[in-house]
Amino acid sequence: SQQGEEDPQALSIQEGENATMNCSYKTSINNLQWYRQNSGRGLVHLILIRSNEREKHSGRLRVTLDTSKKSSSLLITASRAADTASYFCATDLNTGGFKTIFGAGTRLFVKA
Amino acid sequence: DAGITQSPRHKVTETGTPVTLRCHQTENHRYMYWYRQDPGHGLRLIHYSYGVKDTDKGEVSDGYSVSRSKTEDFLLTLESATSSQTSVYFCAISVPGARTNGYTFGSGTRLTVV
Repeated sequence: SQQGEEDPQALSIQEGENATMNCSYKTSINNLQWYRQNSGRGLVHLILIRSNEREKHSGRLRVTLDTSKKSSSLLITASRAADTASYFCATDLNTGGFKTIFGAGTRLFVKA
Repeated sequence: DAGITQSPRHKVTETGTPVTLRCHQTENHRYMYWYRQDPGHGLRLIHYSYGVKDTDKGEVSDGYSVSRSKTEDFLLTLESATSSQTSVYFCAISVPGARTNGYTFGSGTRLTVV
């Protein structure tokens, strides 16, 4: 797998359901970030979790990080049609220099 | 997107012509970045800047050059556009390192090379 690889590639759910997206990575990281991208727009930063943190919450978002498994998950609870977007994880590598790797994203479609 | 604007939003150009994309920020951040986004590849870093006149290459820098003569402006130039450079280009700013809160992205420039 690539650094910062999301799973699944696409997800379709009903409004009100929870959506879970996963991100796996290969090398040691400083932090992991999740972004949302609406069609035709730039990426919007959602949440950042540092390597020494295990869980963070922001509104309806819950992010977990398991550094032993090199994986993270993004949970969106009680999804809404407005949550329809692509979601990307980005890993800030612990290399001593600049290196942030973005995954190819998960496309989420929330049906009203 | 607040604090960062890109121009133009759309551009169609012919193969072999030079093209310059502009990124302007009002946040006074030192770090600015140019990414390209292609289906199946996520975002890939082209070049970045860590201060006025200080720039460095990213993972896909061939065929691109950048300049930063002012803190607020970061220009990306395709020296001789090719069809493989058809893409959506995003500029971003950040405070890197331990104090980072992630990146702020512009709205993107959709470039088509014909």
